[in-house]
Amino acid sequence: GAGVSQSPRYKVAKRGQDVALRCDPISGHVSLFWYQQALGQGPEFLTYFQNEAQLDKSGLPSDRFFAERPEGSVSTLKIQRTQQEDSAVYLCASSSTGGSYTEAFFGQGTRLTVV
Amino acid sequence: GQQVMQIPQYQHVQEGEDFTTYCNSSTTLSNIQWYKQRPGGHPVFLIQLVKSGEVKKQKRLTFQFGEAKKNSSLHITATQTTDVGTYFCAAFGTDKLIFGTGTRLQVFP
Repeated sequence: GAGVSQSPRYKVAKRGQDVALRCDPISGHVSLFWYQQALGQGPEFLTYFQNEAQLDKSGLPSDRFFAERPEGSVSTLKIQRTQQEDSAVYLCASSSTGGSYTEAFFGQGTRLTVV
Repeated sequence: GQQVMQIPQYQHVQEGEDFTTYCNSSTTLSNIQWYKQRPGGHPVFLIQLVKSGEVKKQKRLTFQFGEAKKNSSLHITATQTTDVGTYFCAAFGTDKLIFGTGTRLQVFP
């Protein structure tokens, strides 16, 4: 596709419900990042994939958060038993190489509201 | 872990005034990137700096990387209302791209 696509754009979940957020990176992009952005804050790193390998998941807030990228393209961020503090915009970004010298392209984000 | 701080947190300027945001790291950086996020939007890449002391310009925007590669700045000359948004610096650590705290710019006509 032309850019990074995320779905759904908006998600309202009841506390305790499980949610799955999808990211379609730019075709062929090696690197994929997930970020959590609370209102008025900067993007907080969650996890990083290089192809299908999850190289860093140190930013995942708890074991309720799980991310996968099984075929090295589409990625899913799953949050189990959602809590109110999970309410935020979840951003996905991809970049063309696995190195540290390429720009990251962001999707529009998924706004998650836990009620 | 690696932290990237930005100052100021907020800046309100009159249209036509200049604006500068500063980015500081606790560790030496391999490179630094700058992004702009419009209200309600997503971060959009502006530029990347790699070399010590590097200066790059994009129209009214001037980006600088410090000699020690621990700090960077973004300067906007003669701000316009289209410059409104939050400006983030970002640095690569091991297997992660860390964003600074951001500077939110408001421009009054």
